[in-house]
Amino acid sequence: DVVMTQSPLSLPVTLGQPASISCRSSQSLVYSDGNTYLNWFQQRPGQSPRRLIYKVSNRDSGVPDRFSGSGSGTDFTLKISRVEAEDVGVYYCMQGTHWPWTFGQGTKVEIK
Amino acid sequence: EVQLVQSGAEVKKPGESLRISCKGSGYSFTSYWISWVRQMPGKGLEWMGRIDPSDSYTNYSPSFQGHVTISADKSISTAYLQWSSLKASDTAMYYCARAAADVWGQGTTVTVSS
Repeated sequence: DVVMTQSPLSLPVTLGQPASISCRSSQSLVYSDGNTYLNWFQQRPGQSPRRLIYKVSNRDSGVPDRFSGSGSGTDFTLKISRVEAEDVGVYYCMQGTHWPWTFGQGTKVEIK
Repeated sequence: EVQLVQSGAEVKKPGESLRISCKGSGYSFTSYWISWVRQMPGKGLEWMGRIDPSDSYTNYSPSFQGHVTISADKSISTAYLQWSSLKASDTAMYYCARAAADVWGQGTTVTVSS
């Protein structure tokens, strides 16, 4: 299985400040069709996961533009430009290139 | 509105069988795969397997192959996850998700305890 490694696992942030989460895969996530199937999810406490970003950098409908995704190959990043209180939760990267699809361990974002 | 609505919480004993469901609405159910994802208490997300509702073709993660069965009834836009003999280690929240996980169900809590 492709191993997804996130860092940090815990991220205390000050309201209004930026935050960044790294995700690295054990092999390239470029699929044979040329796409890179790397997604980011947010899971707020007590809620179902919600997809924020698909195919590295595409924001889902309704996702605030303070969230952005970047990266290529095996190295990816989720950035929050200015953290708001509603951003508290656990963030997961997930690869959909190689079966079985796999998630990172999760990064817990909390307010300092 | 596109929705996946899952069946309610279950409390079972070890060795019992169980089937939980996920009903899609607001879209063409046969046009998108349905996946199942496990989240054990206090832990992360694990992809279990997926089904193409149009022909019931399935893929399983090797970690779950042989332990669960995924099925679907396209006539009622519903996918299922079932166990023939539950273990205490099956205690978890189970989510269904559409295709590349753009839509998620609300989750079904399964508790297995003697």
